[in-house]
Amino acid sequence: AQSVAQPEDQVNVAEGNPLTVKCTYSVSGNPYLFWYVQYPNRGLQFLLKYITGDNLVKGSYGFEAEFNKSQTSFHLKKPSALVSDSALYFCAVSYKNYGGSQGNLIFGKGTKLSVKP
Amino acid sequence: DTGVSQNPRHKITKRGQNVTFRCDPISEHNRLYWYRQTLGQGPEFLTYFQNEAQLEKSRLLSDRFSAERPKGSFSTLEIQRTEQGDSAMYLCASSLSGISGELFFGEGSRLTVL
Repeated sequence: AQSVAQPEDQVNVAEGNPLTVKCTYSVSGNPYLFWYVQYPNRGLQFLLKYITGDNLVKGSYGFEAEFNKSQTSFHLKKPSALVSDSALYFCAVSYKNYGGSQGNLIFGKGTKLSVKP
Repeated sequence: DTGVSQNPRHKITKRGQNVTFRCDPISEHNRLYWYRQTLGQGPEFLTYFQNEAQLEKSRLLSDRFSAERPKGSFSTLEIQRTEQGDSAMYLCASSLSGISGELFFGEGSRLTVL
């Protein structure tokens, strides 16, 4: 079965410090991997995705993520955190189904990122 | 900004009543998805449409749940005989097929079943 794990319920970082939000996945075949962010009272917003190619993916707001096939991980990173980055972050995985089309997105439980001044 | 629009934003109902949620996707998007999210959990897939065809349904979608997208534009999600366990945020998203996984989400419709 396809699944996504976000092992940390909450990550606390001081402003200006680097941040990492962890994600591991389990999927048969080649995964499509995504990060979404949810600000309070706002809809989920797409941040970045890995489909194929370069293992380091750059996305919105200075975020990046590294695909590691051997560790089945797709951790979200940012070199210097901002207070405005405080939000709920979701990792998601999709895959090609037997018909060759993309299956639906499976989300992790989410990690609350808190950036303090 | 013509993003994904969901109505109503909040619905409080008594157990056993029927409720219907509406989703208006981004106009050029041919795919439309419904997800459910409960507190402390990530969104759980319910179903999705490509144009007016319902292509996939989750086992979470019991026979009390039905979704339609009659003209390939807006969609409705109906829950019949609501139960307290149906209380959740119902999320709609849309996308273009072929843009792998980049879904655009609405702000959700929160259902509270008393």
